[in-house]
Amino acid sequence: GESVGLHLPTLSVQEGDNSIINCAYSNSASDYFIWYKQESGKGPQFIIDIRSNMDKRQGQRVTVLLNKTVKHLSLQIAATQPGDSAVYFCAETDAGNMLTFGGGTRLMVKP
Amino acid sequence: DAGVTQSPTHLIKTRGQHVTLRCSPISGHKSVSWYQQVLGQGPQFIFQYYEKEERGRGNFPDRFSARQFPNYSSELNVNALLLGDSALYLCASSPRTGNYGYTFGSGTRLTVV
Repeated sequence: GESVGLHLPTLSVQEGDNSIINCAYSNSASDYFIWYKQESGKGPQFIIDIRSNMDKRQGQRVTVLLNKTVKHLSLQIAATQPGDSAVYFCAETDAGNMLTFGGGTRLMVKP
Repeated sequence: DAGVTQSPTHLIKTRGQHVTLRCSPISGHKSVSWYQQVLGQGPQFIFQYYEKEERGRGNFPDRFSARQFPNYSSELNVNALLLGDSALYLCASSPRTGNYGYTFGSGTRLTVV
């Protein structure tokens, strides 16, 4: 399959380590934030979301942190696995009518 | 249950031609949005439709148009294709506008030569 991001920043981690992917957003009015995972040849796949009235939300092996003061979002993946290798995008929206995506980060997991 | 389905999966067009891309939303979803993803970048919003009406438009030229049908499926049309229109075109469906439950299809890879 073809790559979704040839020139994206890359995070390389060892299998089993924790990964942290960061994202800065721009719109102070954004009230909902989503992390997507995109593998080659596929569309973005929902990972986890968070509303602006929260600062942390946990899922299975993933945690999203939101800092509205500095407009920063992070995705933490625990015990990273080879299947986590993909490009990760954060997205923001206000009123839910359109998503604004960040530039993406490629995660590479070394066995 | 079928997810968001898009067709075709790949196509190649010549500069100046016209293209129509199709999207079928998840059953029960009434809102469809279109995004363009150029290689190496995040998706960019093009259009949102709900109940057959345009509810939002991104910063794209008038060569881009879309419509939604009574069964909530949608078409994206691009006229007078340029090389820069080469991209992955993604469709996302959600139950309604202002709802945050977006689900993306796998996209149509358009190459303009």
